[in-house]
Amino acid sequence: EVQLLESGGGSVQPGGSLRLSCAASGFTFSSYAMGWVRRAPGKGLHWVSGISASGRNTYYADSVKGRFTISRDNSKDTLYVQMNNLRDEDTAVYYCARFAGASWYDPFDSWGQGALVTVSS
Amino acid sequence: QLVLTQSPSASASLGASVRLTCTLSSGHNNYAIAWHQQQPEKGPRYLMKFNSDGRFTKGDGIPDRFSGSSFGAERYLTISSLQSEDEADYYCQTWGIGIQEVFGGGTKLTVL
Repeated sequence: EVQLLESGGGSVQPGGSLRLSCAASGFTFSSYAMGWVRRAPGKGLHWVSGISASGRNTYYADSVKGRFTISRDNSKDTLYVQMNNLRDEDTAVYYCARFAGASWYDPFDSWGQGALVTVSS
Repeated sequence: QLVLTQSPSASASLGASVRLTCTLSSGHNNYAIAWHQQQPEKGPRYLMKFNSDGRFTKGDGIPDRFSGSSFGAERYLTISSLQSEDEADYYCQTWGIGIQEVFGGGTKLTVL
């Protein structure tokens, strides 16, 4: 059974940093692209970042480009996102998600339960 | 640029059927999509992938009550024999080169 377990969420002041982790199990992690999707209060799902299976290629939404860094450790079956210079509008539940293939030219086919990030002074 | 449009809300009675629609923007009739369900306070769940050849494949454990279809630029998710746990937000998703907004706005389904 595919399992994705996020950790690292919390409250931070504007301008602060957080790192989210996603521990994967139940599948060959190094064979799949992974991504982070967020859902802000009262809004819908929004894809913020993705990384190919090998880790060589990354994607960032314009809203987080230059502030977020996605990475993965295929030896530890873990996905990360380093979030710097956080803004109020980054407040959201962040979901770790698996793409159905090695790149993001496939749908998401597995999801985590989410990690809440609150940015507030 | 491909845009997915969904009605913000829908409702249907317990035991009835409902069809949710995801509309692809002009010129993108052949794009594949996926459907996801998000129940309150839970992570999303992948339901199915609808391919441009008209076939759809469901995720593991997705009941037969959930089915997909399409006509032109519209992609449909039909839920039959509605149950209370079907009350959720439903999102369509696409993918491809240069697409940033991969999700539709979502439809909130209320089971009456």
